[in-house]
Amino acid sequence: AQSVTQLDSHVSVSEGTPVLLRCNYSSSYSPSLFWYVQHPNKGLQLLLKYTSAATLVKGINGFEAEFKKSETSFHLTKPSAHMSDAAEYFCVVSEIQGAQKLVFGQGTRLTINP
Amino acid sequence: GAGVSQTPSNKVTEKGKYVELRCDPISGHTALYWYRQSLGQGPEFLIYFQGTGAADDSGLPNDRFFAVRPEGSVSTLKIQRTERGDSAVYLCASSLEFGSPLHFGNGTRLTVT
Repeated sequence: AQSVTQLDSHVSVSEGTPVLLRCNYSSSYSPSLFWYVQHPNKGLQLLLKYTSAATLVKGINGFEAEFKKSETSFHLTKPSAHMSDAAEYFCVVSEIQGAQKLVFGQGTRLTINP
Repeated sequence: GAGVSQTPSNKVTEKGKYVELRCDPISGHTALYWYRQSLGQGPEFLIYFQGTGAADDSGLPNDRFFAVRPEGSVSTLKIQRTERGDSAVYLCASSLEFGSPLHFGNGTRLTVT
């Protein structure tokens, strides 16, 4: 079965500094990987998606993630944090290739300090 | 331009009662999903519809949980004999077709007292 492990439950950075949210996955085949963001009292929003076309994936709001098969990692980064980035972030793997039966990580809460 | 709508946004019920949670997907979306998010956890898959039929219900925890989508649009998640452990946020998502990106609703927060 596919699974993801988010290595940090909480990350705190200062506004204007880089963001790194770490994710490792386990999959028996070439996976589809996603990052979703959840703001308080809002629905989950797709940040970016990897489907084997390119290992560096660019998403919305300046976020990007790099797929590293040798490390089974899919870390999310942003060069400069903004206050509006404060939210819960989920690393997600698709359990069935091409399907949307998603397996979510536990989530990482990102706090931005002024 | 409405997104996925879930009603009610909050539901408080007593242990043992029956509840129904409603999901209105984006118009024209053929695929509909239900997920459950417990406090401090990521969402967990419950069931997936393609049109009117449940294509995969392997995530339903037990036979107290049931979902329908009779006309291929609105879906209702039904929970019988609720238990305190059922307390969670129930999320609905829809997509244009199988494999397309999911659009999530804001969820229904269910509290069983």
